[in-house]
Amino acid sequence: DTGVSQDPRHKITKRGQNVTFRCDPISEHNRLYWYRQTLGQGPEFLTYFQNEAQLEKSRLLSDRFSAERPKGSFSTLEIQRTEQGDSAMYLCASSAQSGRALNEQFFGPGTRLTVL
Amino acid sequence: GENVEQHPSTLSVQEGDSAVIKCTYSDSASNYFPWYKQELGKRPQLIIDIRSNVGEKKDQRIAVTLNKTAKHFSLHITETQPEDSAVYFCAASKNSGYALNFGKGTSLLVTP
Repeated sequence: DTGVSQDPRHKITKRGQNVTFRCDPISEHNRLYWYRQTLGQGPEFLTYFQNEAQLEKSRLLSDRFSAERPKGSFSTLEIQRTEQGDSAMYLCASSAQSGRALNEQFFGPGTRLTVL
Repeated sequence: GENVEQHPSTLSVQEGDSAVIKCTYSDSASNYFPWYKQELGKRPQLIIDIRSNVGEKKDQRIAVTLNKTAKHFSLHITETQPEDSAVYFCAASKNSGYALNFGKGTSLLVTP
């Protein structure tokens, strides 16, 4: 499968614990995005990278959230001191700046986080 | 920031009928408007998109129209089929390749 992949697919944690998610974009894509989706809502933008540079962060991204893309390939999203309100599906997407699917965002399967 | 409103939240049609979903946006700088389909438990997938220099775009049974003056855009699905049943999201962005602001989604049910 050459699409966007995310790991883990499911994560259950206790309130106050830290969690880290990983996203592997489509290999030739230089842009990578993180979104959060709760039940019955559309995805909400969190942050995005062009190569290794983090270009934009949403106000939703509190100080407890941090994202990295150290080598311009895979990305990690860490949530520190998780709260029950962090429970959601975390979606990653990637896009290319050239080619047939110019700037189309391809989504991964998501990581479902449950905070107890 | 950009605010995207989508309606209806649910839509039920009979197979073969047409379905229309409408969205409005607030930021006049937005110029890229994709539509995503999300089946239950699956990832969102792009079905069609339109840019602000185009008023209408069609791909087989799916069409999107854009009215930049009124700041609204619509998805039209003709000859609906049961496999069209899913949640549809509209989105707006200042340019393709940038952050997408999504609507809350429309749950479409096509009954045989």
